[in-house]
Amino acid sequence: GNSVTQMEGPVTLSEEAFLTINCTYTATGYPSLFWYVQYPGEGLQLLLKATKADDKGSNKGFEATYRKETTSFHLEKGSVQVSDSAVYFCALSDRGGGGADGLTFGKGTHLIIQP
Amino acid sequence: DAEITQSPRHKITETGRQVTLACHQTWNHNNMFWYRQDLGHGLRLIHYSYGVQDTNKGEVSDGYSVSRSNTEDLPLTLESAASSQTSVYFCASSSGLRRTDTQYFGPGTRLTVL
Repeated sequence: GNSVTQMEGPVTLSEEAFLTINCTYTATGYPSLFWYVQYPGEGLQLLLKATKADDKGSNKGFEATYRKETTSFHLEKGSVQVSDSAVYFCALSDRGGGGADGLTFGKGTHLIIQP
Repeated sequence: DAEITQSPRHKITETGRQVTLACHQTWNHNNMFWYRQDLGHGLRLIHYSYGVQDTNKGEVSDGYSVSRSNTEDLPLTLESAASSQTSVYFCASSSGLRRTDTQYFGPGTRLTVL
């Protein structure tokens, strides 16, 4: 079946540091890949997505590139801010490719940015 | 603006009681989903619906049911609440069925079963 693996954290960084959150996946088909962000007390918001190999998704200074050869979709940001403190979820959608309907999520990475 | 809302936002109930969590979306999306979020598990799919009168089981459907009588609502019912169902529940919706389509999430309901 499908699965998503990501570092769980907490990951603690200082403001303006470089961020990488690793995400790797296993899928039976050709999935689309997503990063969602959950701020404290809120629901999940789509941060970015990529739907085919070598696509780069980007939003709010965050980027992730769909790497089919390494089955990865790592999230990066060049300079983090305190307001980026949240839980980040990597997810895949494989509908029509033999995978389950709905999204398959990683366990989430709790990011803490210190001033 | 279109949105997806959930109610109640917090609920405390007792073991054995029936509980219904509401989900309402004004996106006019055909597809709606229920997930539960637990520490160490991420989000897992409970039930989903692709339209009125359509319901399907997800990964963790035991002890839950849904019904879809209109496009806007997908209530989630716990027939006989158990402590293992203490969790945060998220509803989501999407417009299409392609793997590229984005799901939009509600704010969540925190359920505690004592």
